[in-house]
Amino acid sequence: NAGVMQNPRHLVRRRGQEARLRCSPMKGHSHVYWYRQLPEEGLKFMVYLQKENIIDESGMPKERFSAEFPKEGPSILRIQQVVRGDSAAYFCASSGANYGYTFGSGTRLTVV
Amino acid sequence: ELKVEQNPLFLSMQEGKNYTIYCNYSTTSDRLYWYRQDPGKSLESLFVLLSNGAVKQEGRLMASLDTKARLSTLHITAAVHDLSATYFCAVDITQGAQKLVFGQGTRLTINP
Repeated sequence: NAGVMQNPRHLVRRRGQEARLRCSPMKGHSHVYWYRQLPEEGLKFMVYLQKENIIDESGMPKERFSAEFPKEGPSILRIQQVVRGDSAAYFCASSGANYGYTFGSGTRLTVV
Repeated sequence: ELKVEQNPLFLSMQEGKNYTIYCNYSTTSDRLYWYRQDPGKSLESLFVLLSNGAVKQEGRLMASLDTKARLSTLHITAAVHDLSATYFCAVDITQGAQKLVFGQGTRLTINP
């Protein structure tokens, strides 16, 4: 049971580049959530996905951010044309039928 | 909009002392979670409270839930330095779609 796998652990991008963050949920979990944590702050909900469906994207910025969870492969959080304000830790969580949420180790994005 | 408020946000205490962290939330929910986060790390699940009156204990930590008051507490007994971390409560809501809403976090520092 490998848990929730996120990669990369650390990502450095120059302003204007694209960032792709990957998340593989726990085995048997079909719900994936992305959260963003700014320095010294709590976690803010971004998006909730099931396979091939976006269930709730109320926390996603309207521009430059997108997420997917394809039938095969990991969930992807994509940030286009990154700006310094996008620097944060991005956590993925998955859940199954037992009300538990398991968090990945996070991807720490630094925009320079 | 659901609000989850923790207090205090910062807590510095001496080893051996007892203290309580409070988590208030603004809408009906029967599921509340407590997490621990060490600097630069992911979230470690501490407790899942699933019903009114639920009380769970693990070592020097004890969590309780009062759904009528919309209040959860995390009590620390005879604190030790290893408990220094940031503690988050999170409320599980199902308005439209299931997701966790986090409090701001309580940064706990335990001094020898």
